[in-house]
Amino acid sequence: DIQMTQSPSSLSASVGDTVTIACQASQDISNFLNWYQQKPGKAPKLLIFDASNLETGVPSRFGGSGSGTDFTLTIGNLQPEDVATYFCQQYDRVPYTFGQGTRLDIK
Amino acid sequence: QVQLVQSGAELKKPGASVKVSCRTSGYNFPGYYLHWVRQAPGQGLEWMGRINPKNGGTNYAQKFQGRVTMTSDTSINTAYMELSGLTSDDTAVYYCAKVKGLAARFEYWGQGTLVTVSS
Repeated sequence: DIQMTQSPSSLSASVGDTVTIACQASQDISNFLNWYQQKPGKAPKLLIFDASNLETGVPSRFGGSGSGTDFTLTIGNLQPEDVATYFCQQYDRVPYTFGQGTRLDIK
Repeated sequence: QVQLVQSGAELKKPGASVKVSCRTSGYNFPGYYLHWVRQAPGQGLEWMGRINPKNGGTNYAQKFQGRVTMTSDTSINTAYMELSGLTSDDTAVYYCAKVKGLAARFEYWGQGTLVTVSS
């Protein structure tokens, strides 16, 4: 199975900051990488697909980059509503696997 | 609009089976794979498998092979996930998810079904 490792596991930032979350795959997955946001008690929400494509309706301050094994989710101008856990997910090979999540809080 | 509505919470005893439904609307149900993902309390997301509603074809994660059965009924646009041989490790929220396009980009999700396994 392809292992997905996220870092950091948690972070705290201030409103208006730019934060970066990293995701590393255990093998080359090209750009078959998605990012999700999950708020407590809710289903995940697709933010970024194919590593860098913004899902419809997602604010443009969310961005994704990377290919191969190393990927990044960037959130600019951090807002209070961005408090959530963020997951990466590969879909290069079954079983599709997720990172362990990064919990984002506001200072 | 696209909606995925799942059945309600379940409490099961160890060794029992559970069947969760996912009723869909707002899109061409046979045209898109439907996936199942679970999340244990306070834990991450785990992909269980997928079904092609058009022909009933399935792919399961090896971890669940022999214990999971995914089916669908195109007459009522509903998918089902049945998990047998439940243990406390199966206590989780189970989600169905519709893909975006052909690939496993989980665009729409059900609200989740909590399955609790306890004696």
